Amino acid sequence: QAVVTQEPSLTVSPGGTVTLTCGSSTGDVTSGLHPYWFQQRPGQVPKTLIFETNNKPSWTPARFSGSLLGGKAAVTLSGAQPEDEAEYYCLLSYTGVRVFGGGTKLTVL
Amino acid sequence: QVQLVQSGAEVKKAGASVKVSCKISGYTFSDYGISWVRQAPGQGLEWMGWIGAYNGHTKYAQKFQGRVAMTTDTSTSTASMELRSLKSDDTAVYYCARDCSSLTCSEWYWGQGTLVTVSS
Repeated sequence: QAVVTQEPSLTVSPGGTVTLTCGSSTGDVTSGLHPYWFQQRPGQVPKTLIFETNNKPSWTPARFSGSLLGGKAAVTLSGAQPEDEAEYYCLLSYTGVRVFGGGTKLTVL
Repeated sequence: QVQLVQSGAEVKKAGASVKVSCKISGYTFSDYGISWVRQAPGQGLEWMGWIGAYNGHTKYAQKFQGRVAMTTDTSTSTASMELRSLKSDDTAVYYCARDCSSLTCSEWYWGQGTLVTVSS
């Protein structure tokens, strides 16, 4: 089974910009792996942040954007807010078998 | 609005089975697949498998092959996940989530989660 890798933790200053990445043990991440990003605040249910590389549900703030960057999937947060402090998980799909990354704990400090 | 409402918390003995249900409303059940995801205490998300409510096909994570069964009942718009031969490290919150449709993928919607506690 493929392994999906994320930064274990990142810190961003309020109003700052940060990029979270998602790599695959099988090689470059492409749109064919259907990258998804989920945000989970403590004690809450995960919520879709980005789907299919760079698409946003209606509830995702404009300060989040998804992309492919240097062979990885990425989500960039521009103008961090205190409420963005959360765990972020990426999900890749390998011919229908999904694999989550280990998650990135984002601290806004 | 799209809603996935899961069954209540369960406490099971090691070696037993558990079945978690997920009742859907707000969309046509048979148009989409359902993924099941679990989260052990203090740990990350783990994908367990998927069932296509439109064709009954399943895909399971290798780790759960032979121990999990996912089913759907279109008459009640309910998806279910049964996990057998429970061990203490199966203690987790189990989530259902609306996955892709037969035609396209969009945002996942999640159930509220079901805590399964396995005691030895």
